[in-house]
Amino acid sequence: QVQLQESGPRLVKPSETLSLTCAVSGGSISSYYWNWIRQPPGKGLEWIGYIYYSGSTNYNPSLKSRVTISVDTSNNQFSLKLRSVTAADTAVYYCARGIFGVVSLFDYWGQGTLVTVSS
Amino acid sequence: AIQMTQSPSSLSASIGDRVTISCRASQGIRNDLGWYQQKPGKAPKLLIYAASSLQGGVPSRFSGRGSGTDFTLTISSLQPEDFATYYCLQDFNYPLTFGGGTKVEIK
Repeated sequence: QVQLQESGPRLVKPSETLSLTCAVSGGSISSYYWNWIRQPPGKGLEWIGYIYYSGSTNYNPSLKSRVTISVDTSNNQFSLKLRSVTAADTAVYYCARGIFGVVSLFDYWGQGTLVTVSS
Repeated sequence: AIQMTQSPSSLSASIGDRVTISCRASQGIRNDLGWYQQKPGKAPKLLIYAASSLQGGVPSRFSGRGSGTDFTLTISSLQPEDFATYYCLQDFNYPLTFGGGTKVEIK
């Protein structure tokens, strides 16, 4: 059974960088797309972007100038960096495994971690 | 970006009711649509992919239909564990975009 677990600081100061890591267990990080999705408190879901295990990326244009997603295949994990954060970036951040092809879906998700941007 | 509009934003229903949720895309997306269920404090869970394919382990009371711009998720007989928020997600092109969600509450 594939499991994803987010980790990282829960509180980030405005203008600083939000950094999260998603550890993948129970399966290889190879051959899938690894995604970050966020959800502000009480609101809907926003796709942030993905990294393919080979290292290619695709970001939401709304965040592209501030986002970097990287992968560490040797440790079966991938990471998110979001620069110059503001209060609007306060959200639950989820990592999720994506299958993108003839059919596309997110089949495994982490439990989510609430990151608060505040001084 | 493709806009996904769900309706209604919330609904009240009783156990055993048939419930239908709609999702409309701002442009044609073939059948590149999924449905996810989210319970409070939990991650979303995949129910339907490719508009009408049931994810393994999901009860058969869930079904999806549609193609192009108009899609529906139907729960044939609402069960206590189905009270949740439902989201559609288009994967036709990037950026991937979700609908605003439909909260299904107990009447």
